[in-house]
Amino acid sequence: AQSVSQHNHHVILSEAASLELGCNYSYGGTVNLFWYVQYPGQHLQLLLKYFSGDPLVKGIKGFEAEFIKSKFSFNLRKPSVQWSDTAEYFCAVITGAGSYQLTFGKGTKLSVIP
Amino acid sequence: EAGVAQSPRYKIIEKRQSVAFWCNPISGHATLYWYQQILGQGPKLLIQFQNNGVVDDSQLPKDRFSAERLKGVDSTLKIQPAKLEDSAVYLCASSLGHKTYEQYFGPGTRLTVT
Repeated sequence: AQSVSQHNHHVILSEAASLELGCNYSYGGTVNLFWYVQYPGQHLQLLLKYFSGDPLVKGIKGFEAEFIKSKFSFNLRKPSVQWSDTAEYFCAVITGAGSYQLTFGKGTKLSVIP
Repeated sequence: EAGVAQSPRYKIIEKRQSVAFWCNPISGHATLYWYQQILGQGPKLLIQFQNNGVVDDSQLPKDRFSAERLKGVDSTLKIQPAKLEDSAVYLCASSLGHKTYEQYFGPGTRLTVT
């Protein structure tokens, strides 16, 4: 079965710092990759997704992620974080052509200090 | 566009009691999902419906959990009897179709079993 690893449990940054959250998955075939975000008191929402094509994917609010197939990774980046980016971030994967089951990582909590 | 609705938002019960959660997906969304999110972990799929049929319930503990989507619209998830380890947030999500991938999440029901 596929699995998703998020290396950082809690990341604390000052405003304007750069962000990179790690995500690795364990599956050797075709994958579709996602980052979801959950702001305090709100529900999960899609930040960005990768299906095929350009491995550098741009999402909402200035976030981007890069799919590196050889490293089984899909790291999330933002050049300059804001206090409003404080949230929990989840990486998720759908594997194979016939499976539409989202498998989530454990999440990374990001705290941005003003 | 109205989002995914869930009720109740919070529920506290004693072990061995039963509980039911309700979900109303986004209008027109054929696929409905129930996830369990235990504190400190990512959401885990319990069951997936396509209209009123079950697509995947491989991770549903069928000895105590049941779910239905009788008319292909709203859905209920039931736990009977509840155990302490069932304490979690139960998330409902919906998507336009089985292959559309993007899932929209509701606010969740936080269950505490004492």
